[in-house]
Amino acid sequence: DVKVTQSSRYLVKRTGEKVFLECVQDMDHENMFWYRQDPGLGLRLIYFSYDVKMKEKGDIPEGYSVSREKKERFSLILESASTNQTSMYLCASSPRRQGLGGNQPQHFGDGTRLSIL
Amino acid sequence: EDKVVQSPLSLVVHEGDTVTLNCSYEVTNFRSLLWYKQEKKAPTFLFMLTSSGIEKKSGRLSSILDKKELFSILNITATQTGDSAVYLCAVFQGGSEKLVFGKGMKLTVNP
Repeated sequence: DVKVTQSSRYLVKRTGEKVFLECVQDMDHENMFWYRQDPGLGLRLIYFSYDVKMKEKGDIPEGYSVSREKKERFSLILESASTNQTSMYLCASSPRRQGLGGNQPQHFGDGTRLSIL
Repeated sequence: EDKVVQSPLSLVVHEGDTVTLNCSYEVTNFRSLLWYKQEKKAPTFLFMLTSSGIEKKSGRLSSILDKKELFSILNITATQTGDSAVYLCAVFQGGSEKLVFGKGMKLTVNP
């Protein structure tokens, strides 16, 4: 079974702090994703990565950055945390689509509930 | 703008009821539609639908896709309290590894 592990289930930080959220997957997947989930808004894509050292902006990248130095690890960084970044953060991974083959489902971690005070 | 719309957004039923969850989509170059179930933790994958009219089934859950009318339904028969969750619908577009998600539908099954 695919295992996507997020380093913390709950995290409380202060406004202005630099915050790191870590995600590790054990299935050698090329694709990794960071989402935030808010009531009434659903899952929104922050950043994703197709390969090591590769990153692309999602729909709401402002205030965030990412790092992918190793294939199995994808980090989300809040450069200067603000109260409007209080949310549930979900990491996901999937294998890259091969040739004319179909996409594969994304597998999710358990999420990190981040509170910024 | 690409969008995925789920309805209803929340539903409360009694154990034993049958429920139908709806997901409609407007995306360029549709490729496939996925359903996930999210309890307190990670969304877990239920079904991926690519072809119209072919039902996918797993126990009491089933799903079907209509590519002409651009929607999918997820049916749950003989609901149990363990079916209480948020159900997420998402769509892959051709040429992309990204999913476009709906807002989710909260199902509550009361004993």
